[in-house]
Amino acid sequence: KQEVTQIPAALSVPEGENLVLNCSFTDSAIYNLQWFRQDPGKGLTSLLLIQSSQREQTSGRLNASLDKSSGRSTLYIAASQPGDSATYLCAVRGTTDSWGKLQFGAGTQVVVTP
Amino acid sequence: GAVVSQHPSWVICKSGTSVKIECRSLDFQATTMFWYRQFPKQSLMLMATSNEGSKATYEQGVEKDKFLINHASLTLSTLTVTSAHPEDSSFYICSARDSFQAYLAFFGQGTRLTVV
Repeated sequence: KQEVTQIPAALSVPEGENLVLNCSFTDSAIYNLQWFRQDPGKGLTSLLLIQSSQREQTSGRLNASLDKSSGRSTLYIAASQPGDSATYLCAVRGTTDSWGKLQFGAGTQVVVTP
Repeated sequence: GAVVSQHPSWVICKSGTSVKIECRSLDFQATTMFWYRQFPKQSLMLMATSNEGSKATYEQGVEKDKFLINHASLTLSTLTVTSAHPEDSSFYICSARDSFQAYLAFFGQGTRLTVV
């Protein structure tokens, strides 16, 4: 059974610092990995999607890497801003599931202080 | 981008009553939709996979008779929490998979259910 772990569970940084969020998964047979942002009491906003054949994806200040063989992904957020405060979730889609169910980590709660 | 509308965004109900939550894909067809449940400070847990025109597939430990799922059209799935109890209070989120871009799933804004 796939298990997704995110470390740390919570993170507080001053504005301007870079953020590094980690995600690990136990089964490397994944179709893709996705990073989401969740604001309190809200749904999920997709940030980046990395296919299993890719090593990284970039969007603006966000960069996500994927090392499928070691079961790891890292989300980097450059020059953090207070508006980046949210919970960040990673989720994997397994190759054995034809319907593309996502297995989520518990998330990293980020606070960026002005 | 694609939009998934979930309604209501929050609901308070009395114990023993039933509550229906709707999940609509607004600008794409979704043959498959997923229902998740999220407890405070915990991750999303998949409850069931909903397929248009057929029965839903429930994850282990999820009561089929308590969480009724109907996916009657390509743009609408509903989750009905029957005979709700306080322990059913949670955040419910749906996602819809684009039929033509199957690697993409889009999420609704979630429904906060409080059973009193």
